[in-house]
Parts: sequence; C-alpha cells; structure tokens
Amino acid sequence: DTAVSQTPKYLVTQMGNDKSIKCEQNLGHDTMYWYKQDSKKFLKIMFSYNNKELIINETVPNRFSPKSPDKAHLNLHINSLELGDSAVYFCASSQVRLAGGNEQFFGPGTRLTVL
Amino acid sequence: GENVEQHPSTLSVQEGDSAVIKCTYSDSASNYFPWYKQELGKGPQLIIDIRSNVGEKKDQRIAVTLNKTAKHFSLHITETQPEDSAVYFCAASPTGAGSYQLTFGKGTKLSVIP
Repeated sequence: DTAVSQTPKYLVTQMGNDKSIKCEQNLGHDTMYWYKQDSKKFLKIMFSYNNKELIINETVPNRFSPKSPDKAHLNLHINSLELGDSAVYFCASSQVRLAGGNEQFFGPGTRLTVL
Repeated sequence: GENVEQHPSTLSVQEGDSAVIKCTYSDSASNYFPWYKQELGKGPQLIIDIRSNVGEKKDQRIAVTLNKTAKHFSLHITETQPEDSAVYFCAASPTGAGSYQLTFGKGTKLSVIP
C-alpha cells in the first residue's frame, strides 16, 4: 500500500549504458515529478508531468527522457550514462488544487551509481 | 524565478533543547511553504506546511511561522529528541492554476545529541 514507489532502489552500472527507473503512485494524483539529489543533498527538479503532459522540463541533458504512460506512472530513461549522473533520483506526486498548496509526496529514491 | 535560502546548513542541539531553522524567499507570489524531513536513506517526508493567510501553525512539538512582509519563514522544533535527527528542507511555491513547482532550500542537517 505504498503511496509512491520506485524501482529499483539501487542501480549500479557502467558508463555508456542505458538504464530506466520506474515510478508508480496510487494516490490518484494528477501530477508527477522527477528530482535529482546530489551528494550535497540539494534537491533539483528535473521534470514534471500533469495528466501525462510535460509541464516542467528543467535544463537537463537530453540523454534523460521521461515517459508517462498514464497518470499513475512516470518513468525515467537515461541514455549513455556518465559518471556525473551518479546521484539519488526521487519521484514525487501531487494533486494541484486551485485553493490549496502543492503538497508533494516523495518515493523512497533510487541510488544510481555509474562506474 | 523563485530563490529560497535556508540557514543554517548544519545544526547540533542537545536533546530536550529547541531547534530553529530559517528560510527566506524572493518571489512575492509564493504563498505555500512546506517543510520536509529526510531521514537517512529515505525520501523527503512532508512534516508541516503553512499558507500565506496564516502567520503560525503548530503540530505537537513542531511549529512554523511566516512573515510575508519580510519574506521569511521558520521551523521550530521544541523538546528535541534523537529521532528528530535528519535533514530538513524548506520550500516555497505559488498556489492556484499552473502552480506545479516547489523551490527547495539547500537543507539543514539537524543532529540531536543524547
């Protein structure tokens, strides 16, 4: 009954490989996000999808490609992995309300290590 | 765009003492201010939030204050316990249609010494 789940939790791979991280939320939210957290713990937004439509696309190398097959899923595919891609990647979801705040719920994270 | 500054970056307190973390923001359109707690190896968890029509909000040992005029907000933890040790993040966001993006501070690592 996990609200926001990510797989895998750990991912170790060689430079140049292509990998994917999957995210699913069962909260019925309409918006999902990908964040990157570096070794200094800084949380940086990468992408956001609202109802399967890309709404936030920060300055991220085009080796990173998000895909949202439906409102409950947002996957992240990374091509030609580089050493600098090593980080923890968090998925989050929210239900944006006109009168309310953007309460985002985070997944447990995927620690990516590129060797 | 919005810019959120958070201080201090590290904070050590004795168990039972209070801890205060402060944040400032730049965009006057921001009116939603959540605080997240991130324990080691876990994702950030929302612990309390405040909206611009409220100056203070409390939840047991945790309180948040907001000064919209000065564009700053603070997290107060009283009677700290070892399990409060974590990294805390403040964030800011506008509300309403199209308000999707939270801007986070750089985090405060809180250590509660038994």
